[in-house]
Amino acid sequence: DGGITQSPKYLFRKEGQNVTLSCEQNLNHDAMYWYRQDPGQGLRLIYYSQIVNDFQKGDIAEGYSVSREKKESFPLTVTSAQKNPTAFYLCASRMADTQYFGPGTRLTVL
Amino acid sequence: DAKTTQPTSMDCAEGRAANLPCNHSTISGNEYVYWYRQIHSQGPQYIIHGLKNNETNEMASLIITEDRKSSTLILPHATLRDTAVYYCIVRVAGTQGGSEKLVFGKGTKLTVNP
Repeated sequence: DGGITQSPKYLFRKEGQNVTLSCEQNLNHDAMYWYRQDPGQGLRLIYYSQIVNDFQKGDIAEGYSVSREKKESFPLTVTSAQKNPTAFYLCASRMADTQYFGPGTRLTVL
Repeated sequence: DAKTTQPTSMDCAEGRAANLPCNHSTISGNEYVYWYRQIHSQGPQYIIHGLKNNETNEMASLIITEDRKSSTLILPHATLRDTAVYYCIVRVAGTQGGSEKLVFGKGTKLTVNP
């Protein structure tokens, strides 16, 4: 079954801890993206990668880090430097001109 | 990317067609119209996109006016599961001089009633 998976669906962490969100796709898409969505707000781009071993900062990259060692995987680490990490995180991949989204991970920092 | 204007909310009876309008009066010649929807607490779902011709797929139809300043997304037989926020986005396709990011506005909250 093809698609984009994100795990876990819900994640709770204590303040000051780093946490890594998983994003995997078996669609053979080259480009992948991480967005953040806050309640009642639109999506904001954190990082994106157009190809393996390459990635670019989006609009709100501070406090986040990514890696792209495999085409299928684009994990996002939320570091303790991120001032307000509680949010809904969305991963997407792109084929041709269209981005397709995963189900999202809701991160709550206590 | 050009700005879009959508009604805040709409209601539709189950089984009826849902027609969701979008204004994009400043659209450029190389900008596509995309539609996504987001059901509460889920990731956005791609619906359809088009440049100037009307488009249809298994989910919906997209009608773009001849001057391309507005469009309408049509869900031909709305069901309760179509209740979601629908976003109309105008953007340059891919990386043809445009931004990588998708800019979602407020969208239209569609409620399908039994």
